[in-house]
Amino acid sequence: NAGVMQNPRHLVRRRGQEARLRCSPMKGHSHVYWYRQLPEEGLKFMVYLQKENIIDESGMPKERFSAEFPKEGPSILRIQQVVRGDSAAYFCASSRTGAFGSPLHFGNGTRLTVT
Amino acid sequence: GQNIDQPTEMTATEGAIVQINCTYQTSGFNGLFWYQQHAGEAPTFLSYNVLDGLEEKGRFSSFLSRSKGYSYLLLKELQMKDSASYLCAVRRNNAGNMLTFGGGTRLMVKP
Repeated sequence: NAGVMQNPRHLVRRRGQEARLRCSPMKGHSHVYWYRQLPEEGLKFMVYLQKENIIDESGMPKERFSAEFPKEGPSILRIQQVVRGDSAAYFCASSRTGAFGSPLHFGNGTRLTVT
Repeated sequence: GQNIDQPTEMTATEGAIVQINCTYQTSGFNGLFWYQQHAGEAPTFLSYNVLDGLEEKGRFSSFLSRSKGYSYLLLKELQMKDSASYLCAVRRNNAGNMLTFGGGTRLMVKP
C-alpha cells in the first residue's frame, strides 16, 4: 500500500533553469496539496488541487510557479527560471476527500537546490 | 488572517514528560492537528482535535480549548527517538483539508 510518492528526492538546478516536481498521491486519493519548507521553518501552503482543478492557489507566487493535477498521471509543481530563493524542501500531501476527517498524508519531499 | 504560535525549541530528558503548547487565531476554525517530523523526512500525522478536551493515543495526548485558541501536545515516557519537530496545524471551514502550519517546535531528548 504505497504512500504519497514524490520524485525526484533531490533536484539541483542552476539559476534560470526550470524545475519540475512530481507527486503521486496515495491510491484512492484525489486531493493534492503542495507545501514549501525552508530550513528550520514550518510548512507553508502553496496550492490545493483536485483532479484537473485548482481549488486554492493563494499560497503560490503569481509568477514562475504553476501546478497541475491531470486526469491521468501525477501532480506536477513547475518552477520556471529558478532563483536561489527557491531552494527549499517541497512536500506534497494527499487526502481521500476534501471533507472533514480526512487527514493529510505527506510524501518524503523534493529538496531543490538552486546553484 | 491566521496566526499560529508555538515555541521554537524545547529540551527534555529521556523518560520524562513534555508539553508542547500551541496558540492560534483564526476564523472558521475546524480542527487542530499535530504532526511529527524527523529531520529530512515527511511529516507524519499524530493526532487531531475538533472538540474541546483531551485525546489520548498511547504515549501521546493532545488537548484543545477552542474558547482560548489553545492546544497542547503531551508526550510521556520520552524516548530518544522522540527527538523531532512537532508541528501544530489548523484547518478552517470551506478550505477542504488544507492545513495552515505553525513554525514547529524542535524537541531534543537528552539521556
